[in-house]
Amino acid sequence: SQQGEEDPQALSIQEGENATMNCSYKTSINNLQWYRQNSGRGLVHLILIRSNEREKHSGRLRVTLDTSKKSSSLLITASRAADTASYFCATRGGNQFYFGTGTSLTVIP
Amino acid sequence: GAGVSQSPRYKVAKRGQDVALRCDPISGHVSLFWYQQALGQGPEFLTYFQNEAQLDKSGLPSDRFFAERPEGSVSTLKIQRTQQEDSAVYLCASSLGVWGGGDGYTFGSGTRLTVV
Repeated sequence: SQQGEEDPQALSIQEGENATMNCSYKTSINNLQWYRQNSGRGLVHLILIRSNEREKHSGRLRVTLDTSKKSSSLLITASRAADTASYFCATRGGNQFYFGTGTSLTVIP
Repeated sequence: GAGVSQSPRYKVAKRGQDVALRCDPISGHVSLFWYQQALGQGPEFLTYFQNEAQLDKSGLPSDRFFAERPEGSVSTLKIQRTQQEDSAVYLCASSLGVWGGGDGYTFGSGTRLTVV
C-alpha cells in the first residue's frame, strides 16, 4: 500500500503562476524525494531533501520538509507549459520507496 | 548505457499467457527495483535487488510473479498465466549505491502491459 498522499490530486494553473503541492507521509524517514512523471513516461528525479533539512532549492523548485508534521511541499515558481505532469513524493522504508498517489499538474499556456 | 532501458515498451498478452519484461540498468548500478503502476496511481513496490541478490520480494502480488538478476546487471520480471488485473505499467529503477545518494533513482520509461 502507498504511504504518501499528495494534495491536491489535480491542479490547473496559468503559465507564469506558482504551483504548490503537498505530501504527507506516515513513518519516520531518512529523506524524501520528489519525482515528475510525464504522461506515458517513467519517473524523473527532481530533488531530495534529507530529514535534517527544512528547505531546499533547485532552480525553480523549492521543497520544504516538516518532520514533526510528516509533511513536505513542492513549489514550482514561474510555471511553464512544459511543467505539465504528475508529481510524486517518495519516502524510503526498508528496501523500498513508497510513492504517493500523485498530483496532476496542468499548466495552461 | 546513458539511462535505464526497458523492453518491450508495450506488450499485449492474452489471459493465461506468460510474459517476460526486461530491464537494462545503468552500467555499474548496484540497486535495482521493480515497481507496478496502475492507471492513475503511484508506483507500487514489487522487488529489490542489490547486485544479483534479491533482498526484498515482499511486493510481488502472487507466486505468478518472478524476478531475477543473475549476473547483477540485466533483470527480468516474469509473469506467468497473466490475468487482467496484471495490466499496468511496470517500471524499473536503478541507483549506483544502496541508498541512492543525492541523485535519487533513475527510472526507465516502463513497459505497459495490457492483458486481454
